[in-house]
Amino acid sequence: NAGVTQTPKFRVLKTGQSMTLLCAQDMNHEYMYWYRQDPGMGLRLIHYSVGEGTTAKGEVPDGYNVSRLKKQNFLLGLESAAPSQTSVYFCASSKDRGRVNEQFFGPGTRLTVL
Amino acid sequence: AQSVTQLGSHVSVSEGALVLLRCNYSSSVPPYLFWYVQYPNQGLQLLLKYTTGATLVKGINGFEAEFKKSETSFHLTKPSAHMSDAAEYFCAVINSGGYQKVTFGTGTKLQVIP
Repeated sequence: NAGVTQTPKFRVLKTGQSMTLLCAQDMNHEYMYWYRQDPGMGLRLIHYSVGEGTTAKGEVPDGYNVSRLKKQNFLLGLESAAPSQTSVYFCASSKDRGRVNEQFFGPGTRLTVL
Repeated sequence: AQSVTQLGSHVSVSEGALVLLRCNYSSSVPPYLFWYVQYPNQGLQLLLKYTTGATLVKGINGFEAEFKKSETSFHLTKPSAHMSDAAEYFCAVINSGGYQKVTFGTGTKLQVIP
């Protein structure tokens, strides 16, 4: 099993450009999450999904959109990138709400917006 | 509302010394608590978790944590630090209902001095 994978690993954008980050998991998990990690701020939840076809806002959703068309994939989009979106982005997944489950994390995408 | 406070953004210990990383939480419902570790340029991975039952929880790599309800604490310890323990550690709390929203602390970077 590959676990949680993220594409790309690194990206540099210019202000105003758009991009999509792809997250894929092969563990048949229901829940998927997108976080951003900034120095001294821990991880902050951007958006999450509790199943295929569903998405919801987290703590810091502004400037981002997501889609979960397939259970195994969770896409994070930036329509018009801003320097404030320079960060490391992590995708995670977890089983379901039946019991308390740990989240499994991908290796991260380092995004720089110039 | 739930929150996590990690005291000390940086902790240094000598190799072989006791590791103590502090975590205090607040939660309006019985909490589920986690410690994650992040090695450089990697995603987070679970060290240990407390859900119910025994309050002393043992995790991987010789780490353990004790849930103390009266002190609202979940401190992470390891009797003898190893160079490979150098990493960033995150405490997290999860609510017991809903979609299992996880709130992460801001992290503690552990430096191990030879």
